Amino acid sequence: QLQLQESGPGLVKPSETLSLTCTVSGGSISSSSYYWGWIRQPPGKGLEWIGSIYYSGSTYYNPSLKSRVTISVDTSKNQFSLKLSSVTAADTAVYYCARDNYPFDPWGQGTLVTVSS
Amino acid sequence: QSALTQPASVSGSPGQSITISCTGTSSDVGGYNYVSWYQQHPGKAPKLMIYDVSKRPSGVSNRFSGSKSGNTASLTISGLQAEDEADYYCCSYAGSRVFGGGTKLTVL
Repeated sequence: QLQLQESGPGLVKPSETLSLTCTVSGGSISSSSYYWGWIRQPPGKGLEWIGSIYYSGSTYYNPSLKSRVTISVDTSKNQFSLKLSSVTAADTAVYYCARDNYPFDPWGQGTLVTVSS
Repeated sequence: QSALTQPASVSGSPGQSITISCTGTSSDVGGYNYVSWYQQHPGKAPKLMIYDVSKRPSGVSNRFSGSKSGNTASLTISGLQAEDEADYYCCSYAGSRVFGGGTKLTVL
């Protein structure tokens, strides 16, 4: 079945750019009708949608993060990626990737990214 | 876009039924039949429990049901079991996507 796995640095310095990749297995990221999304969850807090991308490259971003977020897709590697610039401690969170077919399903296991010097 | 409004906590005894509300606006919950609900146990990724307001994915117990009236969606869990204790989040399509703040369910 379809599985997603996040990867990337677990520690990022303030003002730098957070970069994560989601690798999709058990299916093609180029399948029609699906978006692929990023969601985050600060420690002890709720879920926040970051943005989603279609395999063709069309993107939707959370307006509150739009100025700092870039989501891209690499169909040859069956991956999609997240870049969040100018990070602060408030960006410390578990970052999840998920297939976005409104709803989000399935999800990756999540990866904790800490912003600290 | 503002987060959808959920009660911070609800509780119930085993065997009872509980309902969690999720209130939005006509621009999100009220405007689309794309409300989904997720269950999250501590340290785990969220799990889809309900989609398109009231549809259950394969493998999800029929004790879980969803509904919507106006700008408020609801998740009902009947026959509460200990393993239902978790955080629950609603999510709505709104042109983009918006989550609720989450509700902690305690099974007494």
